[in-house]
Amino acid sequence: QQPVQSPQAVILREGEDAVINCSSSKALYSVHWYRQKHGEAPVFLMILLKGGEQKGHEKISASFNEKKQQSSLYLTASQLSYSGTYFCGTGNTGGFKTIFGAGTRLFVKA
Amino acid sequence: EAQVTQNPRYLITVTGKKLTVTCSQNMNHEYMSWYRQDPGLGLRQIYYSMNVEVTDKGDVPEGYKVSRKEKRNFPLILESPSPNQTSLYFCASSPRTGYTDTQYFGPGTRLTVL
Repeated sequence: QQPVQSPQAVILREGEDAVINCSSSKALYSVHWYRQKHGEAPVFLMILLKGGEQKGHEKISASFNEKKQQSSLYLTASQLSYSGTYFCGTGNTGGFKTIFGAGTRLFVKA
Repeated sequence: EAQVTQNPRYLITVTGKKLTVTCSQNMNHEYMSWYRQDPGLGLRQIYYSMNVEVTDKGDVPEGYKVSRKEKRNFPLILESPSPNQTSLYFCASSPRTGYTDTQYFGPGTRLTVL
């Protein structure tokens, strides 16, 4: 079951913050976050495995809620280089599949 | 340099003409996977492999075949391509399981089936 990402798209000015959410109706084993720039391959940002976990640094961080059904990616003081499409990927227990969300398009303008 | 390579990068073919897209990784990873990317749908997993001779279906396996005879290679085979298989394809590899590890993606193969 594909996780639901929101928002679908967001436009920011440099220096503004953004939050991207990834939700599932079932508890997840893991959540990955990737960024993909136009015409390029997705690049790994971080992975969260534990309920209640928070990870990352002050500019880009992510959280995984206690029930392991929602993750949020936090982009702080955005830079032009943050522009791209952000995907969450989720892993489920009992299988080795990774299911990705439809993506959130982020555009940062000067 | 640690990397995942795919060939070809671009391919235009006709309906029914068998084709193979190669994928190779030099990181000794156990897990490899194929995804297709279509606008508005994100990345959808086609097949994955946990190790040599161990493969399983992802979410959209119809019309595709894979094999894993060597650890480093994981080719994607389209025996009779159809226009609905026009897409951007990515190969990825991961040290162990794919869903608890980082996945490293290849550069992509843009396939057009006429």
